Amino acid sequence: GAGVSQTPSNKVTEKGKYVELRCDPISGHTALYWYRQSLGQGPEFLIYFQGTGAADDSGLPNDRFFAVRPEGSVSTLKIQRTERGDSAVYLCASSPNGGPYEQFFGPGTRLTVL
Amino acid sequence: EDKVVQSPLSLVVHEGDTVTLNCSYEVTNFRSLLWYKQEKKAPTFLFMLTSSGIEKKSGRLSSILDKKELFSILNITATQTGDSAIYLCAVIKDSGYALNFGKGTSLLVTP
Repeated sequence: GAGVSQTPSNKVTEKGKYVELRCDPISGHTALYWYRQSLGQGPEFLIYFQGTGAADDSGLPNDRFFAVRPEGSVSTLKIQRTERGDSAVYLCASSPNGGPYEQFFGPGTRLTVL
Repeated sequence: EDKVVQSPLSLVVHEGDTVTLNCSYEVTNFRSLLWYKQEKKAPTFLFMLTSSGIEKKSGRLSSILDKKELFSILNITATQTGDSAIYLCAVIKDSGYALNFGKGTSLLVTP
């Protein structure tokens, strides 16, 4: 079946604007994860959903970042009052269940804040 | 603090060479170590290693975990230009879910 999809693939915005990044996980996967990858770094964990609820949002850098998954499938990562330091590739991953298992990644959204 | 360190950070080889990539870790409640290949943006899964000393193999790629010395290696034999990518190592804790990644090794295979 289809893999994890993310839209848009690229997003350019101005400092101070609001952005939404979307993730569509593999059908039937209950666990969904957001990571952020800055240039030259490995992905860093942001938030984990099990079903509709955020089971762990400890990786969100500050309260400008928020994510939802209202129906337990598609998730949206929302960033308010964007800053230049938010520029990165935002990766989404899913797995059949939460826990210490392989995660399947989407192609990411490259966010550039001017 | 948990650490995942990959070496080298970058590597250039000729087609046909064999390469060994390293990943060392210091993680409390370690469960498994995973290797991913990242060509453009999406990391693609290669291996998950949980038991020490058992080699996992897929074609020209193989990997092994040493839980006593806290490291893993990823070997690629007879490299091809299509192996050029960033190779990411990540660890996951027992009863955990978040992957803790190293910075990656950027591999360039030249013709």
